[in-house]
Amino acid sequence: ELKVEQNPLFLSMQEGKNYTIYCNYSTTSDRLYWYRQDPGKSLESLFVLLSNGAVKQEGRLMASLDTKARLSTLHITAAVHDLSATYFCAVDMDSNYQLIWGAGTKLIIKP
Amino acid sequence: ETGVTQTPRHLVMGMTNKKSLKCEQHLGHNAMYWYKQSAKKPLELMFVYSLEERVENNSVPSRFSPECPNSSHLFLHLHTLQPEDSALYLCASSHPPPLAGAPDTQYFGPGTRLTVL
Repeated sequence: ELKVEQNPLFLSMQEGKNYTIYCNYSTTSDRLYWYRQDPGKSLESLFVLLSNGAVKQEGRLMASLDTKARLSTLHITAAVHDLSATYFCAVDMDSNYQLIWGAGTKLIIKP
Repeated sequence: ETGVTQTPRHLVMGMTNKKSLKCEQHLGHNAMYWYKQSAKKPLELMFVYSLEERVENNSVPSRFSPECPNSSHLFLHLHTLQPEDSALYLCASSHPPPLAGAPDTQYFGPGTRLTVL
């Protein structure tokens, strides 16, 4: 059974600090997605990582993928309050339509 | 309207009611999805339509019935629901995955918050 585990599930941090969210998955997959969800709002695509060693950056967020370790990380640099949200990772299955989702990491950044 | 829209945004219904959720996408996509998002649970894929044909049905109870009349519209018909069906129902759309390729990025609507009494 394909499982996707995010760690931590909840994170409260101060502005200006750095932190990393981890996404582990249990079977081989070369494709991983990161999404953001603000309270009461929908999911917004952040990154698509399509190969081993892929790294993508947007502003203070940087995502990477290690398919051999079955691990993706989402690194937050010098956090700001606007990054407070729930972050989800998702891994594709062979069916090509189905993504298996992590439970989400709720991130609260205090001013 | 742009992106993916869903109506209604909030719905309260009794267990004997029949209601429908509507999703519309304005992105030119050909694949549409229904997801269920419950508190403290991973997102659950319910149904997938590609080119108006159902391609995935993840053992969803028959009290949920999807309909995709065209590539821009997706419905979820609800009847005799249970309180445990209360959740946020999200619609998404994407381009169909290429052969031997990955699912394309999915774009989500704002969701319908459903409460079953």
